[in-house]
Amino acid sequence: GNSVTQMEGPVTLSEEAFLTINCTYTATGYPSLFWYVQYPGEGLQLLLKATKADDKGSNKGFEATYRKETTSFHLEKGSVQVSDSAVYFCARRDSSYKLIFGSGTRLLVRP
Amino acid sequence: DTAVSQTPKYLVTQMGNDKSIKCEQNLGHDTMYWYKQDSKKFLKIMFSYNNKELIINETVPNRFSPKSPDKAHLNLHINSLELGDSAVYFCASSQAGTSNEQFFGPGTRLTVL
Repeated sequence: GNSVTQMEGPVTLSEEAFLTINCTYTATGYPSLFWYVQYPGEGLQLLLKATKADDKGSNKGFEATYRKETTSFHLEKGSVQVSDSAVYFCARRDSSYKLIFGSGTRLLVRP
Repeated sequence: DTAVSQTPKYLVTQMGNDKSIKCEQNLGHDTMYWYKQDSKKFLKIMFSYNNKELIINETVPNRFSPKSPDKAHLNLHINSLELGDSAVYFCASSQAGTSNEQFFGPGTRLTVL
């Protein structure tokens, strides 16, 4: 079926560590892909996006590359901060207007 | 300026009651959505309206009825509330287009006792 799969959390890292959160999708065609972030007690905010194969989305030091050969859109950051602690959602857009979300990955960054 | 706003932020009510959650966006978008986030943070779309017309209606009990009086508003009315309705409900909006970026409201935490 059409779905988005993310790695299970929580992911716990020390400040300045390297972050990877894996995301793979199944879909027909080449859907737009997104990473959203949810800080504690808040709604979701778009972090970055990619609309076609090989595009790289980037924002606030986070990056993700749309890889059609592996149907993946892994989120990376070279050096995380305590303020990056949040829940991260991978999502893809389907042929209608809706977003299909992964289950979310909680990131906890310790000082 | 608030882009997507929801009221109330918290809602605590008894089983069997009827309640409404309101959503407004001032972004000029033509499409609005309701999502439900359960206790495990899983997010699932419930409804979507484009220019006041229902375009997505997922498998949601008919106790849930969305209403869009105009493009800037999408309200959610819930009849006969059940314990399993307890969740955080998010409103979102977007402008139809190739990237379809959605902007989310702050959420309404509904607790049914």
